[in-house]
Amino acid sequence: DIQMTQSPSSLSASIGDRVTITCRASQLIGSYLSWYQQKPGKAPNLLIYAASTLQSGVPSRFSGSGSGKDFTLTISSLQPGDLATYYCQQSFSIPWTFGQGTKVDIK
Amino acid sequence: QVQLQESGPGLVKPSETLSLTCTVSGGSISGHYWSWIRQPAGKGLEWIGRINHSGSTRYNPSLKSRVTMSVDTSKNQFSLKLNSVTAADTAVYYCARDVIVAGTVWFDPWGQGTLVTVSS
Repeated sequence: DIQMTQSPSSLSASIGDRVTITCRASQLIGSYLSWYQQKPGKAPNLLIYAASTLQSGVPSRFSGSGSGKDFTLTISSLQPGDLATYYCQQSFSIPWTFGQGTKVDIK
Repeated sequence: QVQLQESGPGLVKPSETLSLTCTVSGGSISGHYWSWIRQPAGKGLEWIGRINHSGSTRYNPSLKSRVTMSVDTSKNQFSLKLNSVTAADTAVYYCARDVIVAGTVWFDPWGQGTLVTVSS
């Protein structure tokens, strides 16, 4: 199985801060990577697919980059509604696997 | 707009079989793959497996010996059975649609999730 490792596991930031979350795959996965946002008590919601393509309806302050093994999710200006846990997911090979999550708190 | 809804017992006894159904509304089950994903409380997400409208399946090898998925196109539903459950199978279970573009697969939309507790 491909292991996905996210860092940090949690972070606390202020409104307006730029936030960066990284995701590293245990092997090369091209651009077969997606990012999800999960708010407390809710199902995950797709933010980005194919490493850098923003899902329709997702605010433009979210962006993704990377390919190969190393990927980044960036929130350019943190908003109160961004309190959530963020997960990366690879689709290079079955079984599809997720990172362990990065919990974002608002200071 | 496609919506998914999980249903099934919220409590299952150890060693018995967990059975869940996902009902798809607002669109046809045909032409897509559909996945089950679970999340133990306070933990991350685990992909269980997928099925398409013709019943073609792929399972996570870690659960393959205990998982069976099926589809009922007449009801626009697909189902999950997980046998010989233990407390480690306690989790929120989600169903989701696989979106496949140029080989990339992501999950959208998701059902709201249903909590299944394994306990005597």
